[in-house]
Amino acid sequence: AQSVTQLGSHVSVSEGALVLLRCNYSSSVPPYLFWYVQYPNQGLQLLLKYTTGATLVKGINGFEAEFKKSETSFHLTKPSAHMSDAAEYFCAVSENTGNQFYFGTGTSLTVIP
Amino acid sequence: GAGVSQSPSNKVTEKGKDVELRCDPISGHTALYWYRQSLGQGLEFLIYFQGNSAPDKSGLPSDRFSAERTGGSVSTLTIQRTQQEDSAVYLCASSVGLAGVGDTQYFGPGTRLTVL
Repeated sequence: AQSVTQLGSHVSVSEGALVLLRCNYSSSVPPYLFWYVQYPNQGLQLLLKYTTGATLVKGINGFEAEFKKSETSFHLTKPSAHMSDAAEYFCAVSENTGNQFYFGTGTSLTVIP
Repeated sequence: GAGVSQSPSNKVTEKGKDVELRCDPISGHTALYWYRQSLGQGLEFLIYFQGNSAPDKSGLPSDRFSAERTGGSVSTLTIQRTQQEDSAVYLCASSVGLAGVGDTQYFGPGTRLTVL
């Protein structure tokens, strides 16, 4: 069965510091991988996704993620945190043998001024 | 263009009442998903529709939950005899195709349901 694990339900970083949000998945077939962000009182929006090709994917607002098959990971990073990055981040996985998306439980990012 | 819309944005109801939640997907999107997001939890899949195919209802938590999609567009999620544990944010998402082709889901703002 497909599963998504996000390590750390709450992450705090200082403004200007590196952001690293972890996502590991389990899949028996090549996955499609997504990161969504949910700002306070807003709906989820796509940050970036990996389907095929280059394993380092760049998204909006300076975020990027790298698909590492050997580690079954898709960690989200941003070199320098901004106050506006404070939000809930969800990792999601789908696979070409199914029709469902599987979401992690989310990581709440706090940026400390 | 217009995104996914949901109504109402907030719904407060009494235990035992029925509620209907509405979702208007992006025009041209054939796939539509419903999720439930409880406090501190991830997104729990409820049901999806794809074109005219039979919906996948495998995520519905009980027979009190049902959903329909009329004309391949608007969808309504109905919860009968609501219980307090049904309190959550109900999210709708649509995509051009299904998850199996890696299509992006576009989410609505959600309906916050509170059952007293």
